[in-house]
Amino acid sequence: EPEVTQTPSHQVTQMGQEVILHCVPISNHLYFYWYRQILGQKVEFLVSFYNNEISEKSEIFDDQFSVERPDGSNFTLKIRSTKLEDSAMYFCASRKQGAGTEAFFGQGTRLTVV
Amino acid sequence: GDSVTQMEGPVTLSEEAFLTINCTYTATGYPSLFWYVQYPGEGLQLLLKATKADDKGSNKGFEATYRKETTSFHLEKGSVQVSDSAVYFCALSGGTGGFKTIFGAGTRLFVKA
Repeated sequence: EPEVTQTPSHQVTQMGQEVILHCVPISNHLYFYWYRQILGQKVEFLVSFYNNEISEKSEIFDDQFSVERPDGSNFTLKIRSTKLEDSAMYFCASRKQGAGTEAFFGQGTRLTVV
Repeated sequence: GDSVTQMEGPVTLSEEAFLTINCTYTATGYPSLFWYVQYPGEGLQLLLKATKADDKGSNKGFEATYRKETTSFHLEKGSVQVSDSAVYFCALSGGTGGFKTIFGAGTRLFVKA
């Protein structure tokens, strides 16, 4: 069964460093998303991406964040200068075209900023 | 904007007990409704979905019915197992919030043997 793949599963970084989280969405999907879940809290939307551009972003997705689909298969989230409060589980998701279709989520990358 | 409200946990049940986790939503238009499950240390898995009013989604003994008149999508299971211990998220997409998935806060379920 096709799945969304995220790497690494766990990333530890020092405050102020840049991190890039990697995702390989399901191959025939057209919509891509990043979400985050701070430990024990709800899953929050960060950004959606369609047709090679951001289609929507939340207030959380400020200038420190960026997304890219560099080669037609990968979908990355970059955090330019990490802060302690960026520590969270980051989930990538993808969805195919059509109303009523569900998003498929990866296993997540646990980011720890120290 | 669109939102999802679900009952606070944790919910603790004995094995073979009946489970209900309440979920209500606020959205205009015709959103699709979902239940996702997160087992300890794992990602989010779709448990079931319903795409229009009166649809019933079901999977692994769980079921939920899309009730437009009460804006609800309550999750039920007749007989829970220890392996059902997880966090359950009610979610929607396709309302005025577009096609991103909007999640409730999650309800943690503990099932005791």
